[in-house]
Amino acid sequence: DTGVSQNPRHKITKRGQNVTFRCDPISEHNRLYWYRQTLGQGPEFLTYFQNEAQLEKSRLLSDRFSAERPKGSFSTLEIQRTEQGDSAMYLCASRHTDTQYFGPGTRLTVL
Amino acid sequence: AQKVTQAQTEISVVEKEDVTLDCVYETRDTTYYLFWYKQPPSGELVFLIRRNSFDEQNEISGRYSWNFQKSTSSFNFTITASQVVDSAVYFCALSEVNSGGYQKVTFGTGTKLQVIP
Repeated sequence: DTGVSQNPRHKITKRGQNVTFRCDPISEHNRLYWYRQTLGQGPEFLTYFQNEAQLEKSRLLSDRFSAERPKGSFSTLEIQRTEQGDSAMYLCASRHTDTQYFGPGTRLTVL
Repeated sequence: AQKVTQAQTEISVVEKEDVTLDCVYETRDTTYYLFWYKQPPSGELVFLIRRNSFDEQNEISGRYSWNFQKSTSSFNFTITASQVVDSAVYFCALSEVNSGGYQKVTFGTGTKLQVIP
């Protein structure tokens, strides 16, 4: 399978814990995006990487959120001190020409 | 600012019926892309189509067809002879044309389609 992959697919955590998600983009796609999707809504942009450089960040990305893409390949999204409001689906996409291809997402539940 | 409106929150049809999903968009850009994505219960967003604002030709792919009308800022999606496997949430999206850097994509709120056997 050469699509975008994300791990884990599901994560349940207690409020206040830290969580980290991983995204492996389609190989040779140098542009990578993170989105958050809550129930009944479309995906909302969080952040964008071109190779290893983080070039865009949404106001949704509070200081508890950090994303990295150290070697320009896979990316991680970390949420520190999780809150119940962080419960959502976190989607990763990589881009070829002008189309973004999405992974299966990580569903986060904060208890 | 860009905006995408999918006024139909949920639609139910009986298998083999045709169904049209509406999408209306707003943008100040003169060149832009329009997309449709499918999100089945598994959660993955599946790319269906990308349309350039310069190309108003309608497109057909199997049972799927898309009607792009720039005059009414609409990009509607029709499924012919619907099947149970078409049950999903469908998102319309809009982006500026920017192949060199950050691409801002604005999604609608989605239309949940249920096809009843």
